[in-house]
Amino acid sequence: AQTVTQSQPEMSVQEAETVTLSCTYDTSENNYYLFWYKQPPSRQMILVIRQEAYKQQNATENRFSVNFQKAAKSFSLKISDSQLGDTAMYFCAFPASDSNYQLIWGAGTKLIIKP
Amino acid sequence: NAGVTQTPKFQVLKTGQSMTLQCAQDMNHNSMYWYRQDPGMGLRLIYYSASEGTTDKGEVPNGYNVSRLNKREFSLRLESAAPSQTSVYFCASSEAGAQGEQYFGPGTRLTVT
Repeated sequence: AQTVTQSQPEMSVQEAETVTLSCTYDTSENNYYLFWYKQPPSRQMILVIRQEAYKQQNATENRFSVNFQKAAKSFSLKISDSQLGDTAMYFCAFPASDSNYQLIWGAGTKLIIKP
Repeated sequence: NAGVTQTPKFQVLKTGQSMTLQCAQDMNHNSMYWYRQDPGMGLRLIYYSASEGTTDKGEVPNGYNVSRLNKREFSLRLESAAPSQTSVYFCASSEAGAQGEQYFGPGTRLTVT
């Protein structure tokens, strides 16, 4: 079965620091997308960043960037200059190989930004 | 645009009662989804609708039924609620299936006693 592993259940950093959340996954597909979603205390799930596996270049969205290592099946999220509003659960996800509609989700990392 | 809306936000049921969770999206997306979220676990797909008029089972469909009423609306029904169905339920929609961004509703916290 395909799996997504987020090995850090909880992390906390000081405001303005840089933090990296890890994600490893298992797939036999060659071309796929990978996602990081954020779920703040309000519960609303929001897409943070998306990476296409066939692209060499790591995706970047403002203070959020990924380190995508395809051979190692690793997809970590780096948050630079962290802000209090970054406090949230972060989930890594990727599409199931036997479905055009199902995502496989990690269990999440709870990130706390301290003032 | 309201995006994805869900009703109700909170619900408490007794074992055996039934209820329907409503979801609507105003982004003209073809695909819609129902997930459940339990503590310490990622989202699990209950049912999805690839397009108007079609529905398919996801990872955990037992105890649930769905209806894709039209392109905008996708409802989830619990016919006989069980304590194991205590969870937070999210509706989502997307244009490009699992390869594209999914837009989520605010969730429904359901407690079955």
